[in-house]
Amino acid sequence: ETGVTQTPRHLVMGMTNKKSLKCEQHLGHNAMYWYKQSAKKPLELMFVYNFKEQTENNSVPSRFSPECPNSSHLFLHLHTLQPEDSALYLCASSQVAGVLGDNEQFFGPGTRLTVL
Amino acid sequence: TQLLEQSPQFLSIQEGENLTVYCNSSSVFSSLQWYRQEPGEGPVLLVTVVTGGEVKKLKRLTFQFGDARKDSSLHITAAQPGDTGLYLCAGAPTGGFKTIFGAGTRLFVKA
Repeated sequence: ETGVTQTPRHLVMGMTNKKSLKCEQHLGHNAMYWYKQSAKKPLELMFVYNFKEQTENNSVPSRFSPECPNSSHLFLHLHTLQPEDSALYLCASSQVAGVLGDNEQFFGPGTRLTVL
Repeated sequence: TQLLEQSPQFLSIQEGENLTVYCNSSSVFSSLQWYRQEPGEGPVLLVTVVTGGEVKKLKRLTFQFGDARKDSSLHITAAQPGDTGLYLCAGAPTGGFKTIFGAGTRLFVKA
């Protein structure tokens, strides 16, 4: 595998389900990000991890819970979501976050999430 | 609020035409990136511009960073259907470290 991978690519879940999104980067980067992309809206930054430490939580509701066990893996745990949470969830990585190096980000293909 | 405004929001052209899309802000940026996102995929980095007035070329794509580092443009020569996608600009304002994204220009090139 190369670059940034995400699984699953598509997910349909009910509002009472619990599911997790997985992201893995094979670029040797130290920073990882979760973004939400809704139709006709700019990319919304959700969380940033730098060297496994969370450095940014962009006022994300607690029904989204990130986990970063190491610099290569990032999870987004989902529970009791709402239909308006349906979107494309993108993971990205960069060399580091918080300095100029975070500007060049490499994205995964995304998980298309539908909440019924 | 530091924003990156992209224009136009949507552009539909015929194959072979030229086009320019813009990315503007009232803030100064240490660098700007351009990404292209195809349907069902994540954004792919095309280029980073760093120096005011810088021009970079990537085959038929020409990127320019404004002299004051507040704006950037992307010019495509002889567009092809494969250029279809969402073009995003992004950058971190000088003095800040968080990258912000514009809303994008959605380009459709008809064969």
